[in-house]
Amino acid sequence: EAQVTQNPRYLITVTGKKLTVTCSQNMNHEYMSWYRQDPGLGLRQIYYSMNVEVTDKGDVPEGYKVSRKEKRNFPLILESPSPNQTSLYFCASSLSYPGLAGVEQYFGPGTRLTVT
Amino acid sequence: GESVGLHLPTLSVQEGDNSIINCAYSNSASDYFIWYKQESGKGPQFIIDIRSNMDKRQGQRVTVLLNKTVKHLSLQIAATQPGDSAVYFCAENNAGGTSYGKLTFGQGTILTVHP
Repeated sequence: EAQVTQNPRYLITVTGKKLTVTCSQNMNHEYMSWYRQDPGLGLRQIYYSMNVEVTDKGDVPEGYKVSRKEKRNFPLILESPSPNQTSLYFCASSLSYPGLAGVEQYFGPGTRLTVT
Repeated sequence: GESVGLHLPTLSVQEGDNSIINCAYSNSASDYFIWYKQESGKGPQFIIDIRSNMDKRQGQRVTVLLNKTVKHLSLQIAATQPGDSAVYFCAENNAGGTSYGKLTFGQGTILTVHP
């Protein structure tokens, strides 16, 4: 089944404890992206990757790192999480960048992160 | 499901009515727009897209209208069904710019369809 998977789905952690949220897709997609979703703010893009070893900042990259060593995986790293990073996180992938008409972006199920 | 809709605009309709969801976008350089549907507890799902060289595009039961003059986008859903109840987001992209990988989402609108 074609899908985007994220792990973990739920995580409660403490301030300063490094964590990684994994994202994997099995559709051979070039483009992958991370978003955070907060009440009343919609989705905001954190980082995106046009292809392996190519990553770029979205609108809210501060406090996050990403890497794209393989096409299928795009982990999100929080080196020193803070309470303002408590949010719902979504990973997404698509065949190419979103501006290419008809290229549909597929989203994972989300990761609910709470930082205390 | 997860609560992501606090303080969002809401639209409440009866089953069978037509729904119109509006979106004002911010970047006059944006040239590609997408509508997404997000059901409770799930990730967003692509509905329909439109390029800036068009002012209307139709899909199955959905139509997107684009007014570049006032930077406004709308999604029309015909014969709305209870299964259409969700949060709807517009998103914009500047496909012709240097940051063509960036996607900016609107705040979202909660659509509730009553049987």
